[in-house]
Amino acid sequence: DGGITQSPKYLFRKEGQNVTLSCEQNLNHDAMYWYRQDPGQGLRLIYYSQIVNDFQKGDIAEGYSVSREKKESFPLTVTSAQKNPTAFYLCASSISRGTDTQYFGPGTRLTVL
Amino acid sequence: AQSVTQPDIHITVSEGASLELRCNYSYGATPYLFWYVQSPGQGLQLLLKYFSGDTLVQGIKGFEAEFKRSQSSFNLRKPSVHWSDAAEYFCAVGALRPGGSYIPTFGRGTSLIVHP
Repeated sequence: DGGITQSPKYLFRKEGQNVTLSCEQNLNHDAMYWYRQDPGQGLRLIYYSQIVNDFQKGDIAEGYSVSREKKESFPLTVTSAQKNPTAFYLCASSISRGTDTQYFGPGTRLTVL
Repeated sequence: AQSVTQPDIHITVSEGASLELRCNYSYGATPYLFWYVQSPGQGLQLLLKYFSGDTLVQGIKGFEAEFKRSQSSFNLRKPSVHWSDAAEYFCAVGALRPGGSYIPTFGRGTSLIVHP
């Protein structure tokens, strides 16, 4: 089955630790995205990548980093510099840049203790 | 800068009743508009989108939305709600970003509660 996988579904970390969230897609999509969702806030764009080895900051990139070494993978690292990392993180992909439909993964809920 | 306002945080309807979820956007150019639905603890699924042409857009699950440029609105409607429609609904406007991508900017969402 084609789709987007995010693992794990729940993640717990101690304050001050970096943590990497996985996002993999087998849809052969060029573009991938990371969003953060907080209650009552909607989705906010963290980073996006339109092609392998290239990515741009979104609206709330501070405290996060990404890489795009392979077309199917777009991992997100939440660093210790992120002041309030506890949230629901969603990964998405689309065929290419432009107005293509985004397809979302099931999300990872990160809790920093 | 682009923005989306969903004025209703919660909407409660009875099963079988009609539904309208409101969405207003702010964007300086031709808007690309979306409605997504999210079940609890899940990712988002696209219901429908408007890029150009007919201002009444049909989507999945019996939903439709109407683009009204004069009112900067893109309200979502369904004639008869089913209990399975209970979810969070997000309106979004696609805004041009560095690199040439139109990436959705999302509203805060409207939670739909369906009474039997």
